[in-house]
Amino acid sequence: DAGVIQSPRHEVTEMGQEVTLRCKPISGHDYLFWYRQTMMRGLELLIYFNNNVPIDDSGMPEDRFSAKMPNASFSTLKIQPSEPRDSAVYFCASSLSSGSSYEQYFGPGTRLTVT
Amino acid sequence: SQQGEEDPQALSIQEGENATMNCSYKTSINNLQWYRQNSGRGLAHLILIRSNEREKHSGRLRVTLDTSKKSSSLLITASRAADTASYFCATAYNQAGTALIFGKGTTLSVSS
Repeated sequence: DAGVIQSPRHEVTEMGQEVTLRCKPISGHDYLFWYRQTMMRGLELLIYFNNNVPIDDSGMPEDRFSAKMPNASFSTLKIQPSEPRDSAVYFCASSLSSGSSYEQYFGPGTRLTVT
Repeated sequence: SQQGEEDPQALSIQEGENATMNCSYKTSINNLQWYRQNSGRGLAHLILIRSNEREKHSGRLRVTLDTSKKSSSLLITASRAADTASYFCATAYNQAGTALIFGKGTTLSVSS
């Protein structure tokens, strides 16, 4: 398996622009998570899905952030409009809820820079 | 808010020495996990310890859990330069145990 795939790996954009981050989870996994990592705040859970349905989006910082999971193999995290304080590394992770397995598999991340 | 807090924030040791990292958390848990992050990479799962376990081993890793003190420790024995990374503890905040909250991590530097 190729693991969790994220694109793009790096994104540089100007303030006010729309940014879309993409994630392909591991095939067969039923949970998908979006995280944001910064030096100041560490790793924050933004939103997670179970079977393509958003379960908890309480970590989404503002209405400028939105996430979708149209099918089991694809998810997007959109920021519109972007601001410099959104600069961070965004990770997608997936997991399988079978039995007692709680391990999450992380993608390589997307480093977002908003100027 | 962070559920787990690692201590120390940074640790520098020589190859062959042991490295111990600690994690404290706030609420009751079903399990606690440790993850590793190499520079510029995503996190990778290391080990999971359940609330009814006190100690668990995996290769050179030893994890302990003290639920009465709400704390866990990760011991890496005979460290190698390749162990240089950040280490995070994570606890679940939902009943299913699927949604994790991570601490800010301990950055370990192992010099040869």
